[in-house]
Amino acid sequence: QQQVKQSPQSLIVQKGGISIINCAYENTAFDYFPWYQQFPGKGPALLIAIRPDVSEKKEGRFTISFNKSAKQFSLHIMDSQPGDSATYFCAAAIHVLTFGGGTRLMVKP
Amino acid sequence: EAGVAQSPRYKIIEKRQSVAFWCNPISGHATLYWYQQILGQGPKLLIQFQNNGVVDDSQLPKDRFSAERLKGVDSTLKIQPAKLEDSAVYLCASSPGQGGIFAGELFFGEGSRLTVL
Repeated sequence: QQQVKQSPQSLIVQKGGISIINCAYENTAFDYFPWYQQFPGKGPALLIAIRPDVSEKKEGRFTISFNKSAKQFSLHIMDSQPGDSATYFCAAAIHVLTFGGGTRLMVKP
Repeated sequence: EAGVAQSPRYKIIEKRQSVAFWCNPISGHATLYWYQQILGQGPKLLIQFQNNGVVDDSQLPKDRFSAERLKGVDSTLKIQPAKLEDSAVYLCASSPGQGGIFAGELFFGEGSRLTVL
């Protein structure tokens, strides 16, 4: 059962543009929603996370938007840079972390 | 602060052979996880330890996979016998969480890439 669905699978953005990645979840008991960033040959690393009691969280160029009624959340990367090129995973947790399928982001110079 | 250490980084074996992966978590982290990441997919939890006890192993294929965490620190994940579909990166992660409460951030190692021929 795929509890966290992520889209798109891949994304190409020009430098300076906005990257948007979306996730939808099924289990309303999830209470923690992180985004992880993974570079080739490395393990995933936490980028930003949100709890369901807030609708938005911003850290630098990265923003999570959370829509509890729609059971959706998204990652916005403002002023995207070539160094942001990586695979991004959304996830959701109750007691354990369940990951989405990933989005491969390429930012063109 | 040292991160999560894993070895070996790469392993190539024939099907039906056995393989073992080792993980040393961040010092003081009570919770340790093994995830399987198949190419092009998100990590899938195999097993979660709290200190040296198993919290969740519901997705571990127990007919061929085993894991242990002796003394609540290092952990090993073993596959015997390996199948072609076991080709993946095996990620170890740790977190400071206690008492079964999800602690938030997981700290991942760089993974062990297994190729089964």
